[in-house]
Amino acid sequence: DTEVTQTPKHLVMGMTNKKSLKCEQHMGHRAMYWYKQKAKKPPELMFVYSYEKLSINESVPSRFSPECPNSSLLNLHLHALQPEDSALYLCASSQGLGAKEKLFFGSGTQLSVL
Amino acid sequence: GESVGLHLPTLSVQEGDNSIINCAYSNSASDYFIWYKQESGKGPQFIIDIRSNMDKRQGQRVTVLLNKTVKHLSLQIAATQPGDSAVYFCAETYSRGGSNYKLTFGKGTLLTVNP
Repeated sequence: DTEVTQTPKHLVMGMTNKKSLKCEQHMGHRAMYWYKQKAKKPPELMFVYSYEKLSINESVPSRFSPECPNSSLLNLHLHALQPEDSALYLCASSQGLGAKEKLFFGSGTQLSVL
Repeated sequence: GESVGLHLPTLSVQEGDNSIINCAYSNSASDYFIWYKQESGKGPQFIIDIRSNMDKRQGQRVTVLLNKTVKHLSLQIAATQPGDSAVYFCAETYSRGGSNYKLTFGKGTLLTVNP
């Protein structure tokens, strides 16, 4: 199994809603990532977890709250989002955390904030 | 700040032709480079990588060339097929000490293959 699975594939939410994005991998990878990608733009790093601990937070607003319940799962909790947060949210994993680790990406969750 | 960019935002080729996608980077400390392919509705998919101690690496129908003198990276796709149509991103990274690193993506090039 070399897949990173993300659910849901599409999500529409209002600015007062609370929702969660989920990511799962069964490759035994110990590093997991959240990226945000706006249309026709490159992915931008949001968070990195290594061995279930938050390793990097790229100054992401607190309305985005990551969680890593175990080594296979990564969640992104969303609360009080703004319309400009509409984007494709990508999860990725790698075997370890290092400059030359190969990242495996999921297909993303397309989020629309109304 | 440091950045990774692309010369051509779009590239249109005929099926069977060779494609060349270019990328310029500005961080002279970068020591690892990756090309990703992103098809519509999917996440980026690893294509090929190259370390800074190399200037060429070949894969199946793809070749990556690295010119550190002018900080330039290119991806060559031989006998381009319709299935190669996608956005191609170059990305660079370098070790910042310990396990702290950041993968920086370039702007992307949209490759369209005409049948």
